[in-house]
Amino acid sequence: GAGVSQSPSNKVTEKGKDVELRCDPISGHTALYWYRQRLGQGLEFLIYFQGNSAPDKSGLPSDRFSAERTGESVSTLTIQRTQQEDSAVYLCASSLVSSGTSYNEQFFGPGTRLTVL
Amino acid sequence: AQSVTQLDSHVSVSEGTPVLLRCNYSSSYSPSLFWYVQHPNKGLQLLLKYTSAATLVKGINGFEAEFKKSETSFHLTKPSAHMSDAAEYFCVVRARSGSARQLTFGSGTQLTVLP
Repeated sequence: GAGVSQSPSNKVTEKGKDVELRCDPISGHTALYWYRQRLGQGLEFLIYFQGNSAPDKSGLPSDRFSAERTGESVSTLTIQRTQQEDSAVYLCASSLVSSGTSYNEQFFGPGTRLTVL
Repeated sequence: AQSVTQLDSHVSVSEGTPVLLRCNYSSSYSPSLFWYVQHPNKGLQLLLKYTSAATLVKGINGFEAEFKKSETSFHLTKPSAHMSDAAEYFCVVRARSGSARQLTFGSGTQLTVLP
């Protein structure tokens, strides 16, 4: 596709339910990132996938959060037993590989707005 | 360690007047710095980036930013605001030797453009 797409655009769920968020990166982008954006705050890094390497999960806030990516395609972010503090916009981005002194622009999707009641 | 501080959470300007969005950074390494813009219901878009070349960086839509190491600043400016510039702007720092997780976002500045 032309850009990064995410679904759903909005998700309202009840506390304690599991949710699954989807990200379709730009074709050919080997790197994929998930971020969380709470109201009035900047982005918090959650997880980073690069090709077939082990993902960098250092930003996941708890073991209720997990993410998967098969190869260089779609990624899903799963939040189990959702809590009200999980309410935020979840952003996905993709890029060509970035490492060391090189930086390739991250292209962001429109995000999924998650509301936990 | 690295951090970025956006000094104003909200900035309001009249159409046709200059825009100044302030950003100060802290980094243990020589940083790369970026400005992103987020329009409502749209993804973040890269406006411009500084990666060690010229200290005055020009971006899209007439925006530019100047890297000032002595002041640890990377303020975003535009000579004349347009209504379409109304959006949220994020200053971002990346340690030069860092990996993807080393991207640190500021808390954002909401720009309002008045007619």
